[in-house]
Amino acid sequence: AQSVTQLDSHVSVSEGTPVLLRCNYSSSYSPSLFWYVQHPNKGLQLLLKYTSAATLVKGINGFEAEFKKSETSFHLTKPSAHMSDAAEYFCVSNYGGSQGNLIFGKGTKLSVKP
Amino acid sequence: GAGVSQSPSNKVTEKGKDVELRCDPISGHTALYWYRQSLGQGLEFLIYFQGNSAPDKSGLPSDRFSAERTGGSVSTLTIQRTQQEDSAVYLCASSPRIEGAHKTDTQYFGPGTRLTVL
Repeated sequence: AQSVTQLDSHVSVSEGTPVLLRCNYSSSYSPSLFWYVQHPNKGLQLLLKYTSAATLVKGINGFEAEFKKSETSFHLTKPSAHMSDAAEYFCVSNYGGSQGNLIFGKGTKLSVKP
Repeated sequence: GAGVSQSPSNKVTEKGKDVELRCDPISGHTALYWYRQSLGQGLEFLIYFQGNSAPDKSGLPSDRFSAERTGGSVSTLTIQRTQQEDSAVYLCASSPRIEGAHKTDTQYFGPGTRLTVL
């Protein structure tokens, strides 16, 4: 079965330092890949998506992710964390099944220390 | 423009009661999805509607769960005889169209309905 694995359930960084949230996908097919962010008591917001065009994808709020087929990875990065980045982040895949439903990773909670 | 809206935002009910959760998708979006977000299971797919086609119910956890979509727009998720394990946040998403293998479409999420079953 298709799956997405987020390697860290919790990441803590200091404000102004780089952010790395790791994600691996199963390689049975070539999926579309997404990163969504969920702030407390808010809905899911799309950060960026990969759809087999450029492997380096730039998203909102300074985030970017690189699709690496050889590593089956789609890690999310940001050069400098802000306090407002504290939230839960979900790596998500869509393998294009008949429903087009999304498959979610378990989520990574990002804490940002002042 | 207006995003996906869901109501109520919070629902507390007693075990055994029926509940209805509502989703208003973005105008013009033909695809609509329901997901459930719970502590133990993460985010999981429940049901999918595309236009006037019969829904794909393959993600529904039991026959106590049902959903309908009237006029290709508003959707209602109904849970009958609620159980404590139904407590979760129920999320609705819509997307503008299905292209090819569907996998490139972005799904836009509502804020969710937090259901608590006592």
